[in-house]
Amino acid sequence: DAGVIQSPRHEVTEMGQEVTLRCKPISGHNSLFWYRQTMMRGLELLIYFNNNVPIDDSGMPEDRFSAKMPNASFSTLKIQPSEPRDSAVYFCASSLGWGGRRDRGPGANVLTFGAGSRLTVL
Amino acid sequence: GNSVTQMEGPVTLSEEAFLTINCTYTATGYPSLFWYVQYPGEGLQLLLKATKADDKGSNKGFEATYRKETTSFHLEKGSVQVSDSAVYFCALSQDNQGGKLIFGQGTELSVKP
Repeated sequence: DAGVIQSPRHEVTEMGQEVTLRCKPISGHNSLFWYRQTMMRGLELLIYFNNNVPIDDSGMPEDRFSAKMPNASFSTLKIQPSEPRDSAVYFCASSLGWGGRRDRGPGANVLTFGAGSRLTVL
Repeated sequence: GNSVTQMEGPVTLSEEAFLTINCTYTATGYPSLFWYVQYPGEGLQLLLKATKADDKGSNKGFEATYRKETTSFHLEKGSVQVSDSAVYFCALSQDNQGGKLIFGQGTELSVKP
């Protein structure tokens, strides 16, 4: 498997522009997570999906951010309009997920991360 | 709420030195505990994990023991190499929270030849 694939790897845009980040999770994984990494705030969970359904979006900073998962093999994180303070590395991760029960198997709760999308908003 | 606290970095060691990176957590119940490593320009990779008290996770010479009595999961390695230079993240997850990870702030390790 190619792992979690994110695009673009780097994005430089101007304030006010729309930004769309893309993620392809590992085939067979049913949970998907979007994290943001900055020097000041470290790693923050923005939103996560289970079986394509958003479960917790409490980490999404504000209405400018939105995320979708139209099918099991694709997710997007959109920022519209973008602002300089959105500059960060955005990571997508996937896992075998959570069946709503206690699962202590070898893959339980193990997240596989993509290489990240580095966003710079000027 | 749940949280993870790591010792601050950066940590600078000479090759073959002993490494300890402290990690303590706050959580209800019985979380699973993890160490992830991030090499420059890359995403995070799982280093090791432990799912219940007194479990020891180990990988690539690194070890960490789940200590419920001290709510700790310290990372250790007996002899570090230059290639171990990276940022190390301690994290926890709860069974009833969909597998999401809560991370510590990360500890940068630099190993000099």
